[in-house]
Amino acid sequence: EIVLTQSPGTLALSPGERATLSCRASQTIDMNHLAWYQQKPGQAPRLLIFGISKRATGIPDRFSGSGSGTDFTFTISRLEPEDFAVYYCQQYGDSPEVTFGGGTRVEIK
Amino acid sequence: EVQLVESGGGLVQPGGSLSLSCAASGFTFKDYWMYWVRQAPGKGLVWVSRIHSDEIQIKYADSVKGRFTISRDNVKSTLFLRMNSLRVDDTAVYYCARGGTHGSIDYWGQGTLVAVSS
Repeated sequence: EIVLTQSPGTLALSPGERATLSCRASQTIDMNHLAWYQQKPGQAPRLLIFGISKRATGIPDRFSGSGSGTDFTFTISRLEPEDFAVYYCQQYGDSPEVTFGGGTRVEIK
Repeated sequence: EVQLVESGGGLVQPGGSLSLSCAASGFTFKDYWMYWVRQAPGKGLVWVSRIHSDEIQIKYADSVKGRFTISRDNVKSTLFLRMNSLRVDDTAVYYCARGGTHGSIDYWGQGTLVAVSS
């Protein structure tokens, strides 16, 4: 079973700053099956990044993803007020087929 | 516009059953894998089940295997989740979601709350 560990648990930053989030997998993730989601309170998650680094439809270019193997990074280049939320990484594989990281909360400093 | 609208949530006693539905629109439903993902209050996202577009290839999380049944009606563009032998720790918002590329989940419904309590 692949376990995804996200760090930090909480990131306190100011608007305009850069946010860097980490997602570490317990095993190599195959075929670039790594995605990132944003979730705001009371809302469903929204897909931001798929295939490690591809932005989903309509996602601004301040959001980016990178990494390979077991170490992945999600970056928001300049935080906008609407970016304060919880972010999850997710992998697709075998047994279980889908796993999510525990999430990183990005909050206003 | 892709829309996924869940229904059927509610309060149920431990050991009881509940059926969720998800009405899909804005895309060719029969061409996509579909998922159920849940989120306990104040907790993270947990995958529950997935059904292939062929209605046959199905997977479940170990925590629900043997108790939950996923199905779909490609004519009516509807996804289902039958939940039996419900436990207190099944309490969560249940999201219906569409499978995207590279194993991602590209569209999500707003969720329906299932509360299991005596």
